Amino acid sequence: SYELTQPPSVSVSPGQTARITCSADALSKKYAYWYQQKSGQAPVLVIYEDSKRPSEIPERFSGSTSGTMATLTISGTQVEDEADYYCYSTDSSGNHGGVFGGGTKLTVL
Amino acid sequence: EVQLVESGGRLVQPGGSLRLSCAASGFTFSSSWMHWVRQAPGKGLVWVAHIDIDGSPTSYADSVKGRFTISRDNAKNTLYLQMNSLRAEDTAVYYCARGGDYPTVWGQGTLVTVSS
Repeated sequence: SYELTQPPSVSVSPGQTARITCSADALSKKYAYWYQQKSGQAPVLVIYEDSKRPSEIPERFSGSTSGTMATLTISGTQVEDEADYYCYSTDSSGNHGGVFGGGTKLTVL
Repeated sequence: EVQLVESGGRLVQPGGSLRLSCAASGFTFSSSWMHWVRQAPGKGLVWVAHIDIDGSPTSYADSVKGRFTISRDNAKNTLYLQMNSLRAEDTAVYYCARGGDYPTVWGQGTLVTVSS
């Protein structure tokens, strides 16, 4: 297996752009997925297959990849976006196993 | 509406066993791959296990391989996680989630506490 590396925390002011990164050599060949988890709640998928956004997720959420790094970008960050964000990718077994990053606490203040 | 409801979590002693259930509704369960993911108190998400549509193949995280078994009953729209030889480090909220390569929709979780 491998590890996905995320910064433990990111801070941003309301209305500004937040960027959360996720790195691993495997990301050059595998998709990245992003989940939002608000305090006391279950995770919610916000980005899949690097850059696709589920229809119910606001347009201010976007994803991108470059080489071995995936980035979740929140444009015009709102107070309600404060949450933990986790990246995820599939492992190398080919049997739908997965790996989560350690998570990034996004603070909006 | 897709709904996943986990149950079965409780306090159990080290070395004990527990079976978690996940009742699915609002989608065709028998056509859906499923995952279990856990989260220790104050910690991050950890992928635990996955099962294909008809129960095979299955895959597991190294930390639970040989101790946990994922299974399903498509007639009852229910996913299971049998947990044996439980350790303190298995203490976590356990989530079931629908998905193939990645979890999509998640339940609200059930808390398992392993302690004497």
